[in-house]
Amino acid sequence: EAQVTQNPRYLITVTGKKLTVTCSQNMNHEYMSWYRQDPGLGLRQIYYSMNVEVTDKGDVPEGYKVSRKEKRNFPLILESPSPNQTSLYFCASSSGLAGGPGETQYFGPGTRLLVL
Amino acid sequence: AQSVAQPEDQVNVAEGNPLTVKCTYSVSGNPYLFWYVQYPNRGLQFLLKYITGDNLVKGSYGFEAEFNKSQTSFHLKKPSALVSDSALYFCAVRDILGTYKYIFGTGTRLKVLA
Repeated sequence: EAQVTQNPRYLITVTGKKLTVTCSQNMNHEYMSWYRQDPGLGLRQIYYSMNVEVTDKGDVPEGYKVSRKEKRNFPLILESPSPNQTSLYFCASSSGLAGGPGETQYFGPGTRLLVL
Repeated sequence: AQSVAQPEDQVNVAEGNPLTVKCTYSVSGNPYLFWYVQYPNRGLQFLLKYITGDNLVKGSYGFEAEFNKSQTSFHLKKPSALVSDSALYFCAVRDILGTYKYIFGTGTRLKVLA
C-alpha cells in the first residue's frame, strides 16, 4: 500500500531534550515536506526537500533541522525543543512532476508533540 | 510574498443544500491551487487542484472549485452537502515561478447538519 509513515505518533518530552521524528514514504517520491499544524494558524511548511541531499527552508524553519540521505526518508530533528514547538506535525511527499499529477501531496498520519 | 486567506473559520450548511468554502490567494506569478480535507484525527487528503486549463476543476467526493484569476479566488463547492462532508478544509497555493514552497490557509471547518 502506498503510504507515508511517521514515528512516533505521540511524543511527550521536556525542554532541551533532542528528538527526531521519522518520516518514510514507499512511493519513490522525490519531493518531501514537513509541516506543523496549530489552531488558528493552519499548516505551515517547516522544510522541504526536492531530492536526496537537497533541502530548503519553508516558512517556519527556526528550531528545526532536516536531512535527506535516502530518497525514502526525511527525518525532522529538534535539537533543543521548546514549549512553543508543541504542535501537530505532518510529513508529506509528492513525485514533484511540476504541473502534473506529481503536484499532489500525500500526507502522513501526523505526530502530536508536547514539549514541557 | 505568497498568501492564502480563508475568511470563514466555520461554515454550517444543511444536508442536501449546496455548500461553498471560500479561498482567496496572492502570488507574484501564476499559481498552482489546491484543496485538501482533514477528517478528525486523520492526516490531510487531496481533494482537487488547479494547474492550468479549464477554470472549473472537478475533484473527489463530488467537490469542485472555480479558479477566478480576476478575483484571485478558488472557492470550493459542492451541489448537495452530506453529513459525512463535515471536516476541516484547507486551501493551498504554490507559486509556479518560485520554489517548492507551499502556503496553506488557516482552514475552514465545515459542519453539515442533518
